[in-house]
Amino acid sequence: EVQLVESGGGLVKPGSSLKLSCVASGFTFSSYGMHWIRQAPKKGLEWIALIYYDSSNKYYADSVKGRFTISRDNSKNTLYLEMNSLRSEDTAMYYCAKGYYDGYYHSFDYWGQGVMVTVSS
Amino acid sequence: DIQMTQSPASLSASLGETVSIECLASEGISNDLAWYQQKSGKSPQLLIYAASRLQDGVPSRFSGSGSGTRYSLKISGMQPEDEADYFCQQSYKYPYTFGAGTKLELK
Repeated sequence: EVQLVESGGGLVKPGSSLKLSCVASGFTFSSYGMHWIRQAPKKGLEWIALIYYDSSNKYYADSVKGRFTISRDNSKNTLYLEMNSLRSEDTAMYYCAKGYYDGYYHSFDYWGQGVMVTVSS
Repeated sequence: DIQMTQSPASLSASLGETVSIECLASEGISNDLAWYQQKSGKSPQLLIYAASRLQDGVPSRFSGSGSGTRYSLKISGMQPEDEADYFCQQSYKYPYTFGAGTKLELK
């Protein structure tokens, strides 16, 4: 059974930093691209970052580029999101999601339960 | 960025009714479109990928169609457990983008 378990969220002040983790199990983590997706309270979904299976490529949404860094440790089956210079608009539930690619089409086939990040003074 | 315009924002359906949700992309996305269901307080779940391919384990009353810039999700026979938010999402170009969502309620 695929499981993705996020941790590391909390209440932080504007301008501070936070690092989220996502521990994966039930699949060969090192074979799949992984994503971070967030959802502000009562709002829609926003894709924020992708890292390839071998960390060779990383992509970011403009809203977080230069402030957030996605990384992974395949030896620990763990995905990370380092968040710096946090703003109130970064307040959201953060989900890690497993990427699915069949050679032509992409999707997010498994999601974690999410971890809440609140940025407030 | 590719904008995904989803409609309607909300709808109410009776038990057994067939419902459709539409998604319009701001440019062609070559069927690289997925649909997700999010029940209250839960994580999203993949329903459809590649515009029309049903994810394993998803009931066959869910179906997807479309091409180019226009896509739709159909639920053939509303069930109580289908009450949820639904989102479309394109993976054709970075940044990947989602529609704003459709809130589906049981009448």
